[in-house]
Amino acid sequence: QSALTQPASVSGSPGQSITISCTVTRREVGTYNFVSWYLQHPGKAPKLVLFEDSKRPSGISNRFSGSKSGNTASLTISGLQPEDEADYYCCSYAGGDNFLYVFGTGTKVTVL
Amino acid sequence: QLVESGGQLVQSGRSLRLSCAASGFNFDDYAMNWVRQTPGKGLEWVSGITWNSVARGYADSVKGRFIISRDNAKSTLYLQMNSLRVEDTAVYYCAKGLAEYMDVWGKGTTVTVSS
Repeated sequence: QSALTQPASVSGSPGQSITISCTVTRREVGTYNFVSWYLQHPGKAPKLVLFEDSKRPSGISNRFSGSKSGNTASLTISGLQPEDEADYYCCSYAGGDNFLYVFGTGTKVTVL
Repeated sequence: QLVESGGQLVQSGRSLRLSCAASGFNFDDYAMNWVRQTPGKGLEWVSGITWNSVARGYADSVKGRFIISRDNAKSTLYLQMNSLRVEDTAVYYCAKGLAEYMDVWGKGTTVTVSS
């Protein structure tokens, strides 16, 4: 199975922008098609914030944006707010004939 | 809405079945998944099943021990966990699959495997 590597932690002050990377270390993200992103507050269930690399579900702030280039997908949070402090995970579907998802290693976002 | 149940303390080597009751959407239109989170660690996709049960997938860590199934008439997803190991201790979430992502998640049920 492939691995999706994220930085362990990213921090920023309120109002700043931060970017979390998600790099495929064994296979190309491109061959996995789309990447989705989830945030998780402590003790809570994960919540979808981006799908198909850059699309936002209904109700998700436009401060969240995504992109993908080569083997790396990215999540950018602009205008950082205290409630953005959470763990963030990327995820890719390595489907086709194999029903298989792979999650990233996770990134702790701290709002200073 | 997704509501998981069945999590409990169990001894290593024993079996356990988790359930996930769905409501508020046409359950039989969607693939479903189980995702777990070990205490203090990240998310791990465990297993998934297509809407019609034709295709099922498993993480290597549970292949041959866990079986995913669903009952569309009851809008319920199951995870039969056999030969449980201490490292299976985790919060288990069920999640609705949509295309290549998971858009609805339950609150999770806790499985603790003791040695």
